[in-house]
Amino acid sequence: GDSVTQMEGPVTLSEEAFLTINCTYTATGYPSLFWYVQYPGEGLQLLLKATKADDKGSNKGFEATYRKETTSFHLEKGSVQVSDSAVYFCALSSGSARQLTFGSGTQLTVLP
Amino acid sequence: SAVISQKPSRDICQRGTSLTIQCQVDSQVTMMFWYRQQPGQSLTLIATANQGSEATYESGFVIDKFPISRPNLTFSTLTVSNMSPEDSSIYLCSVGDSGANVLTFGAGSRLTVL
Repeated sequence: GDSVTQMEGPVTLSEEAFLTINCTYTATGYPSLFWYVQYPGEGLQLLLKATKADDKGSNKGFEATYRKETTSFHLEKGSVQVSDSAVYFCALSSGSARQLTFGSGTQLTVLP
Repeated sequence: SAVISQKPSRDICQRGTSLTIQCQVDSQVTMMFWYRQQPGQSLTLIATANQGSEATYESGFVIDKFPISRPNLTFSTLTVSNMSPEDSSIYLCSVGDSGANVLTFGAGSRLTVL
């Protein structure tokens, strides 16, 4: 079945540092890929998505490129802020049911 | 995208009791799902709530433990029955955004079972 393997955390960075959170997947067919973010005490919010190979999703300075050859969707940001502290989930959706398979989540803490 | 209201936002319950969580959406949606997020864990799909028919449960989840209702296209409930401390989790309602293949999530209901 489908699966998502996500970089284990927690990750602690200083403000303005470069962020990479690795995500690889296993799926049949051609899934859509997502990054969701969960801020403390809140529900999940869609951060960005990509629906086909070589697509780049971007939002709020975050980027991720759908790499079919390496089955990866790594999340990057050039300069993190304290307000980016949250848990980040990589996820995929395949088939018509629009159900999501989530990775284990990565806790990011950004220090001032 | 749809706006989802879940209640209660949190509750503390006694072992052996049941709790019903409500999910209200501000627009009609076709797809509605219930997820569980155990402490420090990722999200696991419990079931798909089908309007007018029985919910479709994922492996490891059964109707007797997690009965679900979906009386219309904007509302669903999830009941956690005969609770034990292992049921302490955040339960999240999500809906499918037609055509965009994106799920929107409610803020979740944080349940603690003593």
